[in-house]
Amino acid sequence: SQTIHQWPATLVQPVGSPLSLECTVEGTSNPNLYWYRQAAGRGLQLLFYSVGIGQISSEVPQNLSASRPQDRQFILSSKKLLLSDSGFYLCAWRKTGFVGNSPLHFGNGTRLTVT
Amino acid sequence: EDKVVQSPLSLVVHEGDTVTLNCSYEVTNFRSLLWYKQEKKAPTFLFMLTSSGIEKKSGRLSSILDKKELFSILNITATQTGDSAVYLCVAALTDTSGTYKYIFGTGTRLKVLA
Repeated sequence: SQTIHQWPATLVQPVGSPLSLECTVEGTSNPNLYWYRQAAGRGLQLLFYSVGIGQISSEVPQNLSASRPQDRQFILSSKKLLLSDSGFYLCAWRKTGFVGNSPLHFGNGTRLTVT
Repeated sequence: EDKVVQSPLSLVVHEGDTVTLNCSYEVTNFRSLLWYKQEKKAPTFLFMLTSSGIEKKSGRLSSILDKKELFSILNITATQTGDSAVYLCVAALTDTSGTYKYIFGTGTRLKVLA
């Protein structure tokens, strides 16, 4: 069966510090991978998605970047955090090689507080 | 701009009540409509709807899609306190290269009182 791991679960970082959140998927090959952010009291905002190694699509221009160095690894980074980067970050994957629709499956998320 | 709008934003009911959650969408290259339940952490998948008029059912929850009116509803009958959560409506679409994207509504916060 497929599983998704996301870490850390919580993070408190000062303004101006760097960020690296990591997500890995097990039990599947060539998944589509996604990063979402959920600000307090708001819906999930799509940040980045990827269909393969080194292939990143960005949805919202901002202080963050994403990378996919391996097939099942997705990393969200920032060189200098802003207060507005605080939120709940969720990694998700979608099965591919399947003709038709399939749902998103989420990791447990990282709650980031920038102080 | 692709968007998904849910109503109501929040709802408080008593155990045993029936609730209807609404979702309208406006997206290009629509593929399917999904519903998720979010309690404290990650959203959990409930339903995926691809065809109009065909009800999907799981226990006390059911959902239906109207692709002509760009609308979906999620019904919960005989609500229980464990149904308290945020319910998220999601539109799946494909971008210009055929890659799936998922656009979320802001959610409906349901609270069920004992």
